[in-house]
Parts: sequence; structure tokens; C-alpha cells
Amino acid sequence: AQTVTQSQPEMSVQEAETVTLSCTYDTSESNYYLFWYKQPPSRQMILVIRQEAYKQQNATENRFSVNFQKAAKSFSLKISDSQLGDTAMYFCASEGGATNKLIFGTGTLLAVQP
Amino acid sequence: GAGVSQSPSNKVTEKGKDVELRCDPISGHTALYWYRQSLGQGLEFLIYFQGNSAPDKSGLPSDRFSAERTGGSVSTLTIQRTQQEDSAVYLCASSWRGSSDTQYFGPGTRLTVL
Repeated sequence: AQTVTQSQPEMSVQEAETVTLSCTYDTSESNYYLFWYKQPPSRQMILVIRQEAYKQQNATENRFSVNFQKAAKSFSLKISDSQLGDTAMYFCASEGGATNKLIFGTGTLLAVQP
Repeated sequence: GAGVSQSPSNKVTEKGKDVELRCDPISGHTALYWYRQSLGQGLEFLIYFQGNSAPDKSGLPSDRFSAERTGGSVSTLTIQRTQQEDSAVYLCASSWRGSSDTQYFGPGTRLTVL
């Protein structure tokens, strides 16, 4: 079975600073995908970044990047130049195997302080 | 283009009543998912539709829950004889084909069972 663990329930960062959110996962699949989703108070789940496990290069999307350590089964999200609009709940998720369903972590509530 | 839409946005019902929640996926997406987000259980998979294949119902918590997808597009999640523990946000997502494709989420329906 796949599991995803986020060990930081809440984090806070000052505007313009950098913050890293942690995620570890466990899977028996050889081919899988990892995601970070953002959920602001509006409730809409928004894709932040996606990583294919077979790719060694870490994914990057503007101010968002990941540190994917396959052997350690670690998938952390780095947010650079934090903005007030980054305030949200962040969920790490994995997908793999025949079911195609996303397995989510418990989330990290990030507050960006002015 | 238009994203995933869900209706109603909020639903309040009395214990024992039946409710129907609707999801309109992104046009052209063949895969559709339902998830439930609750304080106690976090984000959990409910059901997955892919084209004309039999749905994966492995996440439905009881036989009071059912879902249909008509014409390969709109989906309805039905909860019969609602219980207070059914109170949650019900999220719908769609993706182009399913496996390995990014899932795009709707804004969710917040269900409150009194």
C-alpha cells in the first residue's frame, strides 16, 4: 500500500523568505508520480508541481521547486520569495499502480507573514 | 477553458435524508474521481471512472454511497440515509486519460448533516 507522510502540521515564513515543506512516502510501485497541491481557504485544490519518479531531475515551476530523493523516499517542496498569496494548506500526494488514485498526506498549513 | 465545476457549493441536510452531489469535469477528460475531505480522515479516495470501463469503487465507505457517470461526462455522487459522519467536503477531479495524468480539482461541495 502507498502511504504519504507530512510531519509538519503548521509552518510560518516571512514574506520574501524561503521555506521548505517536508514529505516522505512509501510505495511498492516501480513507476509512480508525486505531486504537491495547494488548497487556499477557497477550498480549490490547485496543482503546484509534479514529479515523475523515473526522472532524476528535480521539477521546478517558477518559485516552487522540489528536492526528490528517490532512495530516501523523500519529496520536499521549496518555496522561494514567499508571497502572501502562498498562504494555504499544502498537500503532498502520490499516484501509482493500476488504481490511479491519489494518496494524500495530512497537509501542512503554511502562513506567510507580512 | 472551463475547469471542473461542482454543485451545490454547500448542502445542509437532515440525518436520514438522501443527497445528490454533481460534478462536471473538464471537457475531453475521460477520467473522473471523487474524494472526501474530512477533519478526522483527511483526504480519501472514493471512486474512479475511466471511459467505459467499470468504475473502481474500492474507496466507497458503505453501501449508502453510490456514483454514476452519464455519457462519459457529468457524474453524480449519491449518499442515501445520510449520517452525521458523512459531513465533509466532497471533491471531484478529472484528468485526460487517468494513469499518470495530472488530476484537476473542482471547488468541492461542503456537506453538513444535522
